[in-house]
Amino acid sequence: ILNVEQSPQSLHVQEGDSTNFTCSFPSSNFYALHWYRWETAKSPEALFVMTLNGDEKKKGRISATLNTKEGYSYLYIKGSQPEDSATYLCAKNSGGSNYKLTFGKGTLLTVNP
Amino acid sequence: DAGVIQSPRHEVTEMGQEVTLRCKPISGHNSLFWYRQTMMRGLELLIYFNNNVPIDDSGMPEDRFSAKMPNASFSTLKIQPSEPRDSAVYFCAGGVSADTQYFGPGTRLTVL
Repeated sequence: ILNVEQSPQSLHVQEGDSTNFTCSFPSSNFYALHWYRWETAKSPEALFVMTLNGDEKKKGRISATLNTKEGYSYLYIKGSQPEDSATYLCAKNSGGSNYKLTFGKGTLLTVNP
Repeated sequence: DAGVIQSPRHEVTEMGQEVTLRCKPISGHNSLFWYRQTMMRGLELLIYFNNNVPIDDSGMPEDRFSAKMPNASFSTLKIQPSEPRDSAVYFCAGGVSADTQYFGPGTRLTVL
């Protein structure tokens, strides 16, 4: 993996379904993995920042896991609601003195009522 | 706090004109980032500052783009001369070092 990649590119689910999607990143030079939620016509909002291998974070119905050795993170949404419809972005920070985030292209989630 | 403030929110200009985008970060945030979002390339980092000093400008497309941060509460991104391919949404984001970044509402730029 050379870049931050997200899959699937888009996803349609029914209200009440649980869903998950993947962020893959180069496992070398890892400092932190960020997840953002981006609603149409708004700006990205931070969900989680994870740094340790095996980290698991939760905010309401949304949770995320991190595997730094193999270079992936999963985002889970339990019981999807229409208001969860958004693009979910992940971004890697390689640490050191560089604060730069490298973003994936996102997963567009649409939750149908 | 009002969050990150960007102006203008929308800008329509003609090719060849100078465009200046402005950003006021959240007080206390020492890192400031300028991003460009397009359908083709997603969210790209253009440049970032730490403590008002430009640290990484490797994402700046070409010499037509320049950015300044004269003090901790203000930054500008300038495009001169602008071209149609510069049309995009430009986001400013701020944070504390490598921690969470807080994004502004963006400036939608259209170059005709």
